[in-house]
Amino acid sequence: DTEVTQTPKHLVMGMTNKKSLKCEQHMGHRAMYWYKQKAKKPPELMFVYSYEKLSINESVPSRFSPECPNSSLLNLHLHALQPEDSALYLCASSQSYVGTGARREQYFGPGTRLTVT
Amino acid sequence: DAKTTQPPSMDCAEGRAANLPCNHSTISGNEYVYWYRQIHSQGPQYIIHGLKNNETNEMASLIITEDRKSSTLILPHATLRDTAVYYCIVRVAYGGSQGNLIFGKGTKLSVKP
Repeated sequence: DTEVTQTPKHLVMGMTNKKSLKCEQHMGHRAMYWYKQKAKKPPELMFVYSYEKLSINESVPSRFSPECPNSSLLNLHLHALQPEDSALYLCASSQSYVGTGARREQYFGPGTRLTVT
Repeated sequence: DAKTTQPPSMDCAEGRAANLPCNHSTISGNEYVYWYRQIHSQGPQYIIHGLKNNETNEMASLIITEDRKSSTLILPHATLRDTAVYYCIVRVAYGGSQGNLIFGKGTKLSVKP
């Protein structure tokens, strides 16, 4: 099973709402990632978790709050978002965040398309 | 910033080989060349990676020049399902923040019947 699943597929939320995005993998991977992709732009890294601990936060605003409750699950909690936060949010996983070669190949989920109204 | 330069778009006839070029003139000795692709409305998909030798897998071949300043991804028999944005990424061999995937603008490959 080389699948990363993300729910929901689409999400529309108001600026005062609180919502969460969920990502799951059952490949035994110990590194998980959140990326943001605006329309017609490449994906941009937001967060990296390695062994359930936050390793990288790419200066993401605090209205985005990641959580890694266990090695298979990654959440992104959203609160007080702005319309410019509307984007495709991609989750990925890899065997490891460190090491060489195949261990760092990242497998991506299909993404959650978020619209903030 | 991305360390690679790719043409913004290319066309290829169905059934023909698609050759996607990538320039990475500042590549360091400890950096690999990775290729991912992103089909419309899907997440990126890993294709192949290499250091200095040519590589082949079930999806594609990767040809890296001897000076490692450029490479070519070859899809031997392109199909309509290969229409996607193809990203060439240079990243260090070992992990950590220096090994993060930094996506450039990529090449939009359109395979036409």
